[in-house]
This record gives sequence, C-alpha cells and structure tokens, in this order.
Amino acid sequence: NAGVTQTPKFQVLKTGQSMTLQCAQDMNHNSMYWYRQDPGMGLRLIYYSASEGTTDKGEVPNGYNVSRLNKREFSLRLESAAPSQTSVYFCASRDTGANVLTFGAGSRLTVL
Amino acid sequence: QKEVEQNSGPLSVPEGAIASLNCTYSDRGSQSFFWYRQYSGKSPELIMSIYSNGDKEDGRFTAQLNKASQYVSLLIRDSQPSDSATYLCGLLGGTSYGKLTFGQGTILTVHP
Repeated sequence: NAGVTQTPKFQVLKTGQSMTLQCAQDMNHNSMYWYRQDPGMGLRLIYYSASEGTTDKGEVPNGYNVSRLNKREFSLRLESAAPSQTSVYFCASRDTGANVLTFGAGSRLTVL
Repeated sequence: QKEVEQNSGPLSVPEGAIASLNCTYSDRGSQSFFWYRQYSGKSPELIMSIYSNGDKEDGRFTAQLNKASQYVSLLIRDSQPSDSATYLCGLLGGTSYGKLTFGQGTILTVHP
C-alpha cells in the first residue's frame, strides 16, 4: 500500500519550460489536492478535485492547470514556468468518510 | 482576506510547558477542522480533527473549537523537544464542497 505517490521528487526547469507533476493514490479516495509550500506561507491550495470528473480552483491557480485523469490520478501542469513557481509541491488525497488528508512526499521544483 | 489565519509565531516554549497555537477562519459554514504537524523536510501528518464546539483531547494534545468566534486552537501539554515542528491549521470549507485550505503555519520550538 503505497498511499500517495508523486513524481518527480526533484526538478530544475528554465523559465518558459513546461512540465507536469504526476500524482497517484491507491486508497480509493474521492478527493485530491495540489498545494504549494513556500517559506512562511504554509500550504496554499492550487487546485482540487472533490470527486472524479470535477476540478476547481484553489487560492493560487494562476499559471497552473490540472487534470483528473481517473479516480487514482491527478496531475498538475506548468505550461510556461516562472521563477515565482519555485516551490515544494504536495499532492494529497482525502478519505471523505474518515475526513483524513494523506500527503505525498512532495516535489521540489526550481525554476531558473 | 485569507480564509485561515494562524498566530504567526515563531513560538518558543521550555520543555514541560504548555504550547498554545491559535487559528481563526472566515467561512462560517466550515464544519471540519484539522491540525497537522510538519517536521522540516517532511510531509504534514494529521494530529487531530475536530467538528463540534468544545474540547477534544488526545493524549497530550487538546483541540478547541468555538464556531461562534470562528476560532480553533491546539494545546500541547508537557511539551517535548520532539514536538518542535511547524503546526498547520486546516479547514474544510462550507461554501465550496471539498475545498480544504490551511493557514500559514506556526513554527514551534521546545527547548530543553
């Protein structure tokens, strides 16, 4: 039982490049989330998917797109990376019954 | 206005003392509240969840919820150096189904 798996763990991009962060969960959770974490800023919600087939903007969606590919997978895409997107990104999934949010290990992205 | 505000900290307490962490929120419809702990370089992990007004105790941790005042707190009794971490207050929004947001976090240091 792997829980929430994020790839890649580390990535360095140049300004203007694109990339996709992948997230998969094997716990049959309905809801999935993408957060970014910057020093002193806590966790800021980028996008979330309350259930398969739906996605909604969070607090800081600009510059990002998401795809809920199926119940297991929720990807985050940066179309044209900017230095301001340098951050640690966390994917999480939620068991709507127990109301517990389980996080992945995080992905550290640096945009030069 | 950010949906969840935490006392900014950092907070430093001596070993054995009570650490008090506070959080206010703006969405009156919020029903579920969470406290997560995050060690440096790690993913957040759930400490406690609380849904009803009043106190909820789990070992050395007590969560308090006051919906009328839109206030959530976490008390850590007999603080230990191993409690040194960032504490994140989170809530499940009432007006946006499935939206789970966090405050900016409070860094707690427990010194021997």
